[in-house]
Amino acid sequence: KAGVTQTPRYLIKTRGQQVTLSCSPISGHRSVSWYQQTPGQGLQFLFEYFSETQRNKGNFPGRFSGRQFSNSRSEMNVSTLELGDSALYLCASSLWAAESIRAQYFGPGTRLTVL
Amino acid sequence: AQKITQTQPGMFVQEKEAVTLDCTYDTSDPSYGLFWYKQPSSGEMIFLIYQGSYDQQNATEGRYSLNFQKARKSANLVISASQLGDSAMYFCAMREIRNNAGNMLTFGGGTRLMVKP
Repeated sequence: KAGVTQTPRYLIKTRGQQVTLSCSPISGHRSVSWYQQTPGQGLQFLFEYFSETQRNKGNFPGRFSGRQFSNSRSEMNVSTLELGDSALYLCASSLWAAESIRAQYFGPGTRLTVL
Repeated sequence: AQKITQTQPGMFVQEKEAVTLDCTYDTSDPSYGLFWYKQPSSGEMIFLIYQGSYDQQNATEGRYSLNFQKARKSANLVISASQLGDSAMYFCAMREIRNNAGNMLTFGGGTRLMVKP
């Protein structure tokens, strides 16, 4: 079974631009979560999507948004990029079972650099 | 307040020896799950092991085992017979099973493990 894939792997943008990152979950997985990893703040939850609906959202400004398609693939968008948005963006997928989820699998990440 | 605390920013271990990575957590949710992930320099987060709060036995996966002490709110990762390839960042994470939490994981700050030949 193929793992979680993220594209692109590396991205360089300038301040003020916008960017779209893509995540394809493991086949059969319906939940996709996004995380931002920076040296200063560590790993922080951005949002989670399940069945094309945002289930949960972390404490990030509205410039960060996402969506999920009917095939469970997800995209996240960051508008009006700031230098502080430079980070590794990780996507995780899992099966959805109401009370018990024993594993969430991460993709290789997209490393975004904002100049 | 920190929900997940990893007090060891960095650790060395000799190849073939066992090592324990510490993790303490804080939650008022009686139902939760604890995860350990390995992150090599490539950046990918590799799932290692999971412990549910109601699991009766400590989780084990190959060379990885989780020393779960619920009353102390600790979930330490034990790696037996360390290998050079174990050199990486290790993260402890928690998922609280309560309304609207979904699959959100809260991560600790991580421990960098370096295995010496």
